[in-house]
Amino acid sequence: NAGVTQTPKFRILKIGQSMTLQCTQDMNHNYMYWYRQDPGMGLKLIYYSVGAGITDKGEVPNGYNVSRSTTEDFPLRLELAAPSQTSVYFCASIPAGSTDTQYFGPGTRLTVL
Amino acid sequence: AQSVTQLGSHVSVSEGALVLLRCNYSSSVPPYLFWYVQYPNQGLQLLLKYTSAATLVKGINGFEAEFKKSETSFHLTKPSAHMSDAAEYFCAVSGSNYKLTFGKGTLLTVNP
Repeated sequence: NAGVTQTPKFRILKIGQSMTLQCTQDMNHNYMYWYRQDPGMGLKLIYYSVGAGITDKGEVPNGYNVSRSTTEDFPLRLELAAPSQTSVYFCASIPAGSTDTQYFGPGTRLTVL
Repeated sequence: AQSVTQLGSHVSVSEGALVLLRCNYSSSVPPYLFWYVQYPNQGLQLLLKYTSAATLVKGINGFEAEFKKSETSFHLTKPSAHMSDAAEYFCAVSGSNYKLTFGKGTLLTVNP
């Protein structure tokens, strides 16, 4: 198993551009999450999904959109990039009924200039 | 709703000294608690977890944490710091739908 994979690893965007951060897991996990990490602030939940076709907002959803058309993929879309979206983005997943922790991807470092 | 408070954004210890990183949580249900470590420019690595079994939890790299319900605490300790322990440490609590709420992190510096 590759686990949770994220692409790209790094990206620089200009203000107003759009992009999609990709997240894929090959463990057949029902639950998937997007977090952003900012210095001194820990990680904050952007969106999450409890299964294909079902998504919900987390603590900081403004400026982002998600979709979950398959169990494996959970892309995060930035429509109009802003400097406030400069951050490191982590995707994570966990199977239903687990007492374990979430499995995290390696992260995407995004800079908006 | 869950919340996590990590006391001390920066802790500095000497090599060989005790490491104590503090975490207090708030949860409306019996919590699952986690400690993660993040080395510079890397992802998150799970150190240890509490999932309502033993209150003293042992993790990797010699770290352990004790769940104290009466104090709503889950402090992380290591008897003897090593230079390789220098990193940022995050405490987290799990809520509904396994969502994690993280503390703001504690940067550990180990001095030779």
